[in-house]
Amino acid sequence: EPEVTQTPSHQVTQMGQEVILRCVPISNHLYFYWYRQILGQKVEFLVSFYNNEISEKSEIFDDQFSVERPDGSNFTLKIRSTKLEDSAMYFCATLGGNTEAFFGQGTRLTVV
Amino acid sequence: GEDVEQSLFLSVREGDSSVINCTYTDSSSTYLYWYKQEPGAGLQLLTYIFSNMDMKQDQRLTVLLNKKDKHLSLRIADTQTGDSAIYFCAEIGGSYIPTFGRGTSLIVHP
Repeated sequence: EPEVTQTPSHQVTQMGQEVILRCVPISNHLYFYWYRQILGQKVEFLVSFYNNEISEKSEIFDDQFSVERPDGSNFTLKIRSTKLEDSAMYFCATLGGNTEAFFGQGTRLTVV
Repeated sequence: GEDVEQSLFLSVREGDSSVINCTYTDSSSTYLYWYKQEPGAGLQLLTYIFSNMDMKQDQRLTVLLNKKDKHLSLRIADTQTGDSAIYFCAEIGGSYIPTFGRGTSLIVHP
């Protein structure tokens, strides 16, 4: 079965530091997403990426966040200056032509 | 914006059937999904249904879709303790952005 791979599985960072979360999408998928899930809460959409650019973003995705696909395979989410409230599980997802939306196992980000 | 609603908890006895319900508002939804999340884990795609179908069966899982009422359900037959998890309903429409419900915690007791 195809798989979306995320690294690291857990990241602890100090408030104000930059973090980069990495995702390897399923090859030949066209749409890429980042979602966030604060502990015990809803899975919230952050951003979608299609054709090498952001196609949609939510209110959560402010100037502190950025995404890129630096080498045509990895898909990264950067948080420039982390805040305590950024602590959450971050999921990468990809959608292919068959419309199955696959999610990675997530990166648990803890900001201290 | 579009919304997806689910009840928060469901408790069933082992061996019984579980039915998890979901309603959505996006009339342009094309695909509807069910995901399972075990504690501390990621989102596992269980099954999905195209909006022009009204039923899909996959082993112990049966998905029913009432498009007119925008109501989706997931039935798990012969529920086992290993089925205890949070189940998320999600839909995708013209925006190609999966939108999630809050999740239903399924508790299976002996």
